[in-house]
Amino acid sequence: SAVISQKPSRDICQRGTSLTIQCQVDSQVTMMFWYRQQPGQSLTLIATANQGSEATYESGFVIDKFPISRPNLTFSTLTVSNMSPEDSSIYLCSGGPQGTHGYTFGSGTRLTVV
Amino acid sequence: GESVGLHLPTLSVQEGDNSIINCAYSNSASDYFIWYKQESGKGPQFIIDIRSNMDKRQGQRVTVLLNKTVKHLSLQIAATQPGDSAVYFCAETDSSWGKLQFGAGTQVVVTP
Repeated sequence: SAVISQKPSRDICQRGTSLTIQCQVDSQVTMMFWYRQQPGQSLTLIATANQGSEATYESGFVIDKFPISRPNLTFSTLTVSNMSPEDSSIYLCSGGPQGTHGYTFGSGTRLTVV
Repeated sequence: GESVGLHLPTLSVQEGDNSIINCAYSNSASDYFIWYKQESGKGPQFIIDIRSNMDKRQGQRVTVLLNKTVKHLSLQIAATQPGDSAVYFCAETDSSWGKLQFGAGTQVVVTP
């Protein structure tokens, strides 16, 4: 299965600034997704990162706040824009070939906004 | 036994015993169900999946049972080991989209 490298692993950011999280996959994958996970809670899907086109966002998440890029089948970024303390969370990317369902996850980015 | 903590329900299991983790899913249109294991500070790791046209699937030390009538999924871990201590999530997907919806999760604590 694919291996996903995610960075940074953690960061502490000032409110009002933006942070870009990167995910690099060691092989081409059809599907890539971005999730948010509050400590001690489940994963909430932010969006599906589509290669060469705009991401598909879930209800409650918008492009202006969480712009996503996916320039090719091995790389994606998520930006958390104009951050507030409420954005403090763990952000995870995942991916895999379409139809496999057992997607691989990155190790996560623990974001603290102060 | 099983108890509800501040966030995740917790299942305490003695080493060597079998564990049963339960999950209720919501979407009757989901056609794949997956179990993930998440250790502290790591991303979720795929354990096993099952398609909706099956009611049981076995892997290495794990068995997943699916009851579509009551929308219930369970993961059985045989001879639980300390390395099985983690949070376990079920997830469901409608394969036409491929995206996963995760359940609430269960914290498994293995005691010696």
